[in-house]
Amino acid sequence: EDKVVQSPLSLVVHEGDTVTLNCSYEVTNFRSLLWYKQEKKAPTFLFMLTSSGIEKKSGRLSSILDKKELFSILNITATQTGDSAVYLCAVRFSGTYKYIFGTGTRLKVLA
Amino acid sequence: DAGVTQSPTHLIKTRGQQVTLRCSPKSGHDTVSWYQQALGQGPQFIFQYYEEEERQRGNFPDRFSGHQFPNYSSELNVNALLLGDSALYLCASSLVSGDSYEQYFGPGTRLTVT
Repeated sequence: EDKVVQSPLSLVVHEGDTVTLNCSYEVTNFRSLLWYKQEKKAPTFLFMLTSSGIEKKSGRLSSILDKKELFSILNITATQTGDSAVYLCAVRFSGTYKYIFGTGTRLKVLA
Repeated sequence: DAGVTQSPTHLIKTRGQQVTLRCSPKSGHDTVSWYQQALGQGPQFIFQYYEEEERQRGNFPDRFSGHQFPNYSSELNVNALLLGDSALYLCASSLVSGDSYEQYFGPGTRLTVT
């Protein structure tokens, strides 16, 4: 069965640290991967990675996709307390419209 | 540019009752997906609507049904509510063209079943 696994489950860092969040998937015929940040309620869209777009960057956040090894990482540099949230990744495979989500990584950034 | 909107924000129902949740997609989007998110879990796909038809369904019982209107807005109906249906219900809107698509979530409806 197609599966998405995120690690670590939770992480506590201090402001200014750099963090790396992992998302691995066991999905046949990969199509796209989405990263989200979820604070109180709705997940906020961060990046979409595909076969033709394996690296994305926005400010302090960046993400890469390794299609061969079936994983993606989300990097956050110079973390701030406002980065505290649950980070979710979701994967879609060929022949389906649904995204399969991991359980998320809970990040807490201490001042 | 209005984002995805959902109503109501919160809802408390009793076991056995029925509930209807509503979603208006982001301007320019034509596809609505519904997800259920239990506490501490990632969202689980319920179904997706496109051109007023259910295009794909996840592993949810028939008690979960939906509808999409000509203006692309959508409803999620849940019948015979169970305690286990208590969750955050998220609507995601997208414009599905080509091979890959982004989806954007609304603020969600928190459903509590007592």
